[in-house]
Amino acid sequence: DIQMTQTPSSMPASLGERVTISCRASQGISNYLNWYQQKPDGTIKPLIYYTSNLQSGVPSRFSGSGSGTDYSLTISSLEPEDFAMYYCQQYDSSPWTFGGGTKLELK
Amino acid sequence: EVQLVESGGVLVQPGRSMKLSCAASGFTFSSFPMAWVRQAPTKGLEWVATISTSGGSTYYRDSVKGRFTISRDNAKSTLYLQMDSLRSEDTATYYCTIYNNWFAYWGQGTLVTVSS
Repeated sequence: DIQMTQTPSSMPASLGERVTISCRASQGISNYLNWYQQKPDGTIKPLIYYTSNLQSGVPSRFSGSGSGTDYSLTISSLEPEDFAMYYCQQYDSSPWTFGGGTKLELK
Repeated sequence: EVQLVESGGVLVQPGRSMKLSCAASGFTFSSFPMAWVRQAPTKGLEWVATISTSGGSTYYRDSVKGRFTISRDNAKSTLYLQMDSLRSEDTATYYCTIYNNWFAYWGQGTLVTVSS
């Protein structure tokens, strides 16, 4: 199975700050990498698919990049509603696997 | 508006069976593969199973293969997950999702607790 490692596991940040979450795969995944946001009430929202494509309705302050084994999610200027858990997920080979998550917390 | 509403999650003893349902609306259910993803308490997300549009092809993670069965009724726009021989490690919130090379829409989840 492909292991997905997210760093950091938690990140204190301030409103308006630019943050980047990293995701590393145990082998190359050819950009088959998605990002999701989970709110404290459990609601899960897809954000980015195929490394850098924004889901319809997702604010443009979110962006994704990467290649090979290394990928990242960047939020250019944090808004109050962005404080949540973030997960990466690969779909290069089954079983589809998720990273362990990054908790974005208000500093 | 796409809606996925899971139901059926309860407290069940190890070794017993249960069936989850997911009622879908707001899209053409028969046109999309579907999947179940679970999340153990305080843990991350874990893909469980996927089913093709017709139901003719199904895929499972190894830990549930032979114990879980994913199925669908396109006439009723409903997805199912039959879970047999349940183990304590199956305790999780189970989410119903539309799968289109990614988990494009998610339900709110239903909690399954396996405990004696």
